[in-house]
Amino acid sequence: GIQVEQSPPDLILQEGANSTLRCNFSDSVNNLQWFHQNPWGQLINLFYIPSGTKQNGRLSATTVATERYSLLYISSSQTTDSGVYFCAVGNFNKFYFGSGTKLNVKP
Amino acid sequence: DGGITQSPKYLFRKEGQNVTLSCEQNLNHDAMYWYRQDPGQGLRLIYYSQIVNDFQKGDIAEGYSVSREKKESFPLTVTSAQKNPTAFYLCASSIDPPSGGIHTYNEQFFGPGTRLTVL
Repeated sequence: GIQVEQSPPDLILQEGANSTLRCNFSDSVNNLQWFHQNPWGQLINLFYIPSGTKQNGRLSATTVATERYSLLYISSSQTTDSGVYFCAVGNFNKFYFGSGTKLNVKP
Repeated sequence: DGGITQSPKYLFRKEGQNVTLSCEQNLNHDAMYWYRQDPGQGLRLIYYSQIVNDFQKGDIAEGYSVSREKKESFPLTVTSAQKNPTAFYLCASSIDPPSGGIHTYNEQFFGPGTRLTVL
């Protein structure tokens, strides 16, 4: 299967700081998603971004498919951004998840 | 409201028992998926189904079984053959793009999950 590596594994930020999360994958893909898992376990869709750049409020994402990586940017972080961020990649119906980046935003 | 529901939220099982986890969606999605998540880990694919009466094994299908008799429903049975079933189980669905088409949009949406504990 496709190997997915996320970095960093853990990240502690002060409220208001910016951060960049990275997702590297080992093969070409036609699907890529970023999720935020809240403390209750719910996976919340952030971006569907197999290529290109998208922005949604304080969050933006860029995927460079030819170089097999994607970046998630969080600006002006808030305590509600805390949780685990997952990258999932795949082709058609088989998806592979990274181990996640655990973000802790302190007030 | 359109969405994906899973039940029960918490499930306790004795060793040697089979249990069935429910997943229902009203998004009119063709494809449905089951994942397992262990503490501190990412999600791993158990089974997926692209169409009614058809399903495929994922990477960790041993000890699990599924059925897809209706488009809206994709129940997962955790059998006694699953050696370490205690985990968080998540169901997802997506629009399945037409085969051979240039359209490959396949965004997944997840249910709230079921926490299974073996006593």
